[in-house]
Amino acid sequence: DGGITQSPKYLFRKEGQNVTLSCEQNLNHDAMYWYRQDPGQGLRLIYYSQIVNDFQKGDIAEGYSVSREKKESFPLTVTSAQKNPTAFYLCASSRGQGDGYTFGSGTRLTVV
Amino acid sequence: GQQVMQIPQYQHVQEGEDFTTYCNSSTTLSNIQWYKQRPGGHPVFLIQLVKSGEVKKQKRLTFQFGEAKKNSSLHITATQTTDVGTYFCAYSTNGNKLVFGAGTILRVKS
Repeated sequence: DGGITQSPKYLFRKEGQNVTLSCEQNLNHDAMYWYRQDPGQGLRLIYYSQIVNDFQKGDIAEGYSVSREKKESFPLTVTSAQKNPTAFYLCASSRGQGDGYTFGSGTRLTVV
Repeated sequence: GQQVMQIPQYQHVQEGEDFTTYCNSSTTLSNIQWYKQRPGGHPVFLIQLVKSGEVKKQKRLTFQFGEAKKNSSLHITATQTTDVGTYFCAYSTNGNKLVFGAGTILRVKS
C-alpha cells in the first residue's frame, strides 16, 4: 500500500543536540512538506519541496534544515538553534497544486 | 500568511446531536480543504471545495463554501462517538502550501 512513513514515532533529545526526523513516501508525489503542531494550535509550515533538489522555507524555518536528494525522501533536521523544539512533527506529500495532502503518522519530539 | 479563523475552538455534544464548525477569512480564498485528526493521530484529508456556493456531502458530513469564498462550514448530522477529533480547515497558496486554521475540537458524550 502507498503511504508516508515517518520515523521514529517518539524521539527524545538533549539540549544542544541536532536530531533528524525521517520521512519517506511511495506515492510518487512531487511535493513534500514539514509541519509543526503545538497543543491548541493549527499546523505551521516549516519547509516544503516541490521537486527533487529544491526546497523552500516556510513560516517557521529558523532552527531547522532539510534536504531533498530523492523524490521519496524529505528528512528534517532539528538543530540546536531551535529554541523550543518540543512538538509534534508532521510530514506530508501531495501531487501538486490543488491536491489534498497525505500525512504521515508524525514524530513526537521531546527535549529533555 | 493570512490566517483563517475557526470557531468554535471546542465543542462537546451529546451523541445524536448535530455539530457545525465554521472557517472564516477576511479575504477571498481560491479553495478550502477540510481535515480530520483523531486524538493521537494525524490529519486525514476529507474534501476540497473550490467553487463559490459549493456544497458537498459525505454521508453525515456536509461541507459548504460561501458565495463570496471567504467562509466555509462543516456540518455533522447526528454525531457518533467515531466523529471525535479535531477538524481543521485549510486553504492552499502558491506551491500548494496549506495554511491551516487552529481547528475545532469535537467531543461526543455517549
